[in-house]
Amino acid sequence: DTEVTQTPKHLVMGMTNKKSLKCEQHMGHRAMYWYKQKAKKPPELMFVYSYEKLSINESVPSRFSPECPNSSLLNLHLHALQPEDSALYLCASSQEPTSGQRYEQYFGPGTRLTVT
Amino acid sequence: SQQGEEDPQALSIQEGENATMNCSYKTSINNLQWYRQNSGRGLVHLILIRSNEREKHSGRLRVTLDTSKKSSSLLITASRAADTASYFCATGYYGNNRLAFGKGNQVVVIP
Repeated sequence: DTEVTQTPKHLVMGMTNKKSLKCEQHMGHRAMYWYKQKAKKPPELMFVYSYEKLSINESVPSRFSPECPNSSLLNLHLHALQPEDSALYLCASSQEPTSGQRYEQYFGPGTRLTVT
Repeated sequence: SQQGEEDPQALSIQEGENATMNCSYKTSINNLQWYRQNSGRGLVHLILIRSNEREKHSGRLRVTLDTSKKSSSLLITASRAADTASYFCATGYYGNNRLAFGKGNQVVVIP
């Protein structure tokens, strides 16, 4: 199974709402990622989890809160978002890099988020 | 600075023609990867070329890497309408899990 799933596919939320995005993979990957992508732009890395620990936070505002409950699941908790946070949020996973070796990332289909 | 900055192009070609797109980067890399993204969907990994490789093939795809010029190219041969997508290169670093994505190339294959 080489699939990364994400729920929901679409999400509309107000600026005072709290919501969560979910991501799941069953490939045994120990590295998981959150990206944000605006229209016609490349994905921008937000967070990296390595062996269920947060290893990279690309200076993301605290209104985005990641969580990795276990090796297959990755959540992104959203609170008090702004309209400019509207974007496609992509989850990805990969094998954990070994010495000198890097691996491809497998992406989910994304959650289209609209903040009103 | 962002790695993997391919020339931001919009390429429109006829089905059956070849499509070539380029990517340049600025610092040392462990590998360079190409991804495809169909409109508004997730990215699909196409091919990974390591820094000690010069050329790699996968089906109709051919990737070259010139580390002296810090550049890569992706060639799609005998294009099909289904190849219509955005194509991103991404560079992988030593020492961490980051991938730095380039600006992307929009390819339209006209049936």
